[in-house]
Amino acid sequence: QQQVKQSPQSLIVQKGGISIINCAYENTAFDYFPWYQQFPGKGPALLIAIRPDVSEKKEGRFTISFNKSAKQFSLHIMDSQPGDSATYFCAASKGGGTDKLIFGTGTRLQVFP
Amino acid sequence: NAGVTQTPKFRILKIGQSMTLQCTQDMNHNYMYWYRQDPGMGLKLIYYSVGAGITDKGEVPNGYNVSRSTTEDFPLRLELAAPSQTSVYFCASSNRIGQGNTEAFFGQGTRLTVV
Repeated sequence: QQQVKQSPQSLIVQKGGISIINCAYENTAFDYFPWYQQFPGKGPALLIAIRPDVSEKKEGRFTISFNKSAKQFSLHIMDSQPGDSATYFCAASKGGGTDKLIFGTGTRLQVFP
Repeated sequence: NAGVTQTPKFRILKIGQSMTLQCTQDMNHNYMYWYRQDPGMGLKLIYYSVGAGITDKGEVPNGYNVSRSTTEDFPLRLELAAPSQTSVYFCASSNRIGQGNTEAFFGQGTRLTVV
């Protein structure tokens, strides 16, 4: 079963726009929710992460919003740039992130100038 | 500062052949993982290890084997290659640092085609 569901599968955004990617999880034992960014031909790299004791975390143009009661979290990319074009994966883990990461299916983001 | 190194980068195998995907990390991380990435399917965990001598199955372990004799190395073995194992394989490592930020570092991937 898919423990972490991610949507949309692909996203096209104009430069300067806001990109929003959503994830939902089932296991209430998850307590660490990272987002990974992957460029073609490269391995994923950590972008930003959140723990359930906060509802929002912001790093530059990237923000994670977390809704514990709904078991949902989302990535917002403000002022999207062509350089943000990549595949984004949400993930979840137990044990404060020390347990294995369970990934979503990925979202391919294309930002057009 | 190499991080996680995977070899080879590309490989074509014939059905029934065997091979080992190599993975080594120089960050002294306890945790190591093997994922496979298929289009539209995200990253599926094959096997993982929490330390030398300890391995455990992930979501899709069938057809694969691993070993962890040292902290640095975590090879993935395919014994009888099948077309369903055509995929991109990623090795990753992370450190158990309690409640601090935990980051998994990924290798560049191995693109495997079974024909």
